[in-house]
Amino acid sequence: DAGVTQSPTHLIKTRGQQVTLRCSPKSGHDTVSWYQQALGQGPQFIFQYYEEEERQRGNFPDRFSGHQFPNYSSELNVNALLLGDSALYLCASSLVGLPRWDTEAFFGQGTRLTVV
Amino acid sequence: AQSVTQLDSQVPVFEEAPVELRCNYSSSVSVYLFWYVQYPNQGLQLLLKYLSGSTLVESINGFEAEFNKSQTSFHLRKPSVHISDTAEYFCAVRRSNDYKLSFGAGTTVTVRA
Repeated sequence: DAGVTQSPTHLIKTRGQQVTLRCSPKSGHDTVSWYQQALGQGPQFIFQYYEEEERQRGNFPDRFSGHQFPNYSSELNVNALLLGDSALYLCASSLVGLPRWDTEAFFGQGTRLTVV
Repeated sequence: AQSVTQLDSQVPVFEEAPVELRCNYSSSVSVYLFWYVQYPNQGLQLLLKYLSGSTLVESINGFEAEFNKSQTSFHLRKPSVHISDTAEYFCAVRRSNDYKLSFGAGTTVTVRA
């Protein structure tokens, strides 16, 4: 059973560019969340997608957007990249049809984004 | 406002010694609590979780954590650490009226021989 897979693993972009990160959830999971982990810090919640809709959003600007596809995979898009966007971006999947709080989030290995 | 506080940013410890990582949270509603471990250049792995029931939860690799509602704490302990326990440990909270996980800043555990 494949876990959460993210691509690419590493990425270098220039300020002002746009980037797309991809995530395939664990088999059977229907919900995808994205987190940003800056160096030396804990992950910060960006947003969560369920049924192809953004269900909750953290304190991130509109430059950060996402999408969920019918097969539950997801993309994170960041426009007009800033140096401060350099971080490890983590995708987490879970099974939350209704709010089933007895489920845990499984994390991928992350995408290391460096903005130069 | 910081809702999850990990009180120690770095914890050096000798092999086979005990270790305790402290975590406190703030919430006006009921919570679900988690400890995750992150090895260098990797994602997060769930170590253990408290959802309900017994306040003492254990993992398969010897870690345990105790939920203390009155002190709003969820400290992680291991009676005897190994070199392989060297990693970053994150405490996380999910409030019952929320979908997201809120993480602490992490505690770096370095185990020395």
